[in-house]
Amino acid sequence: KAGVTQTPRYLIKTRGQQVTLSCSPISGHRSVSWYQQTPGQGLQFLFEYFSETQRNKGNFPGRFSGRQFSNSRSEMNVSTLELGDSALYLCASSGGRAPGTNTPEQFFGPGTRLTVL
Amino acid sequence: GQQVMQIPQYQHVQEGEDFTTYCNSSTTLSNIQWYKQRPGGHPVFLIQLVKSGEVKKQKRLTFQFGEAKKNSSLHITATQTTDVGTYFCAPKGTSYDKVIFGPGTSLSVIP
Repeated sequence: KAGVTQTPRYLIKTRGQQVTLSCSPISGHRSVSWYQQTPGQGLQFLFEYFSETQRNKGNFPGRFSGRQFSNSRSEMNVSTLELGDSALYLCASSGGRAPGTNTPEQFFGPGTRLTVL
Repeated sequence: GQQVMQIPQYQHVQEGEDFTTYCNSSTTLSNIQWYKQRPGGHPVFLIQLVKSGEVKKQKRLTFQFGEAKKNSSLHITATQTTDVGTYFCAPKGTSYDKVIFGPGTSLSVIP
């Protein structure tokens, strides 16, 4: 089975621009989560999509948005980029369901390294 | 809201020494997962703990869930250079659905 893929792998933008990142989950996975990783803040949860619906949202400004398509592929968009948005953006997919109090294991993609100049 | 702490933030050990990282939550947990991220890599799932007092082993790694389900630990016996990386706990509360990650413990192993 192919793993989670993210495109592009690297991106350089300037302040004020917008960017769209793409994530293709493992085949059959319906849940996609996005995380921002920076050296100072660790792994910060952005949002989770399941069957095209946003199921959970982290504490990020409205400049960060996402969506999921019927084939479970997901995109996240950041508008009006700021220097502080420079980070590794990770996407993780999971089966979305688990028995009892279990949480499905998340499979991470390699990430998109965004640099804002 | 829920507060998650991991200690220590950094740990440098000589190869062959043991290592332990602790994850503490301010609220009772439904379960907890552990992930490892190698330098330059992405997080990889290690294990999930669900039951109070649960202990699970994976070769040299021992994972424990506290009796009160508010804390967890990961212990590595006789560290090797392949253990280098950042270990994250990902606790899930009983009153919310999203998975959040602790700040991580970065492990360096000196050969």
